[in-house]
Amino acid sequence: EIVMTQSPATLSVSPGERATLSCRASQSVNSNLAWYQQKPGQAPRLLIYGASIRATGIPARFSGSGSGTEFTLTISSLQSEDFAIYYCQQYNNWPITFGQGTRLEIK
Amino acid sequence: EVQLLESGGGLAQPGGSQRLSCAASGFTFTSYALNWVRQAPGKGLEWVSSISVSGTTTYYADSVKGRFTISRDNSKSTLYLQMNSLRLEDTAVYYCTKDRPVWTEGWDYDYWGQGTLVTVSS
Repeated sequence: EIVMTQSPATLSVSPGERATLSCRASQSVNSNLAWYQQKPGQAPRLLIYGASIRATGIPARFSGSGSGTEFTLTISSLQSEDFAIYYCQQYNNWPITFGQGTRLEIK
Repeated sequence: EVQLLESGGGLAQPGGSQRLSCAASGFTFTSYALNWVRQAPGKGLEWVSSISVSGTTTYYADSVKGRFTISRDNSKSTLYLQMNSLRLEDTAVYYCTKDRPVWTEGWDYDYWGQGTLVTVSS
């Protein structure tokens, strides 16, 4: 099983600033990585797939990068609605696995 | 508009059974693989099971293998999860999800239902 490790567990950032979230895979997942955003009481929402492709309707301030074992989600200028929990997911191998999440909170 | 509507959650006893359903609409049901993902209270996401377009290929997390069965009825555009031998640790919100690309399974999920809570407790 591929273990996905996200860091940091909690990230405190001020609105308007940049946020950088990391996700590391225990072995290569090529570019088969997705990022999701989850707000309290809601289902997750797909942000990025293929490591760097924005899903339909996702604002350009969200960007993904990386391949192999190291991945990054960057939010260029944080808006109030961006404060949430973010999960990475690998779908290169079965079983599909998720990271434990990064909580992005207002500083 | 794509909609995935889960039902069937509730209180179950340890060792008991529960059957979840997910009614889908707004897309060509027979063209997409489907999945169940769960989230224990206050915890992260855990993939549970996936099923191919035809329903002939299924995948399970080790934690549920042999106890849960995923199936689909393409004539009713409905996904199911039969859960047997329930354990306390199966308590979670169960989400029905749709694979983003057509035809093949094992991808990212572009649509999620609102989830249904299963509580296993005596």
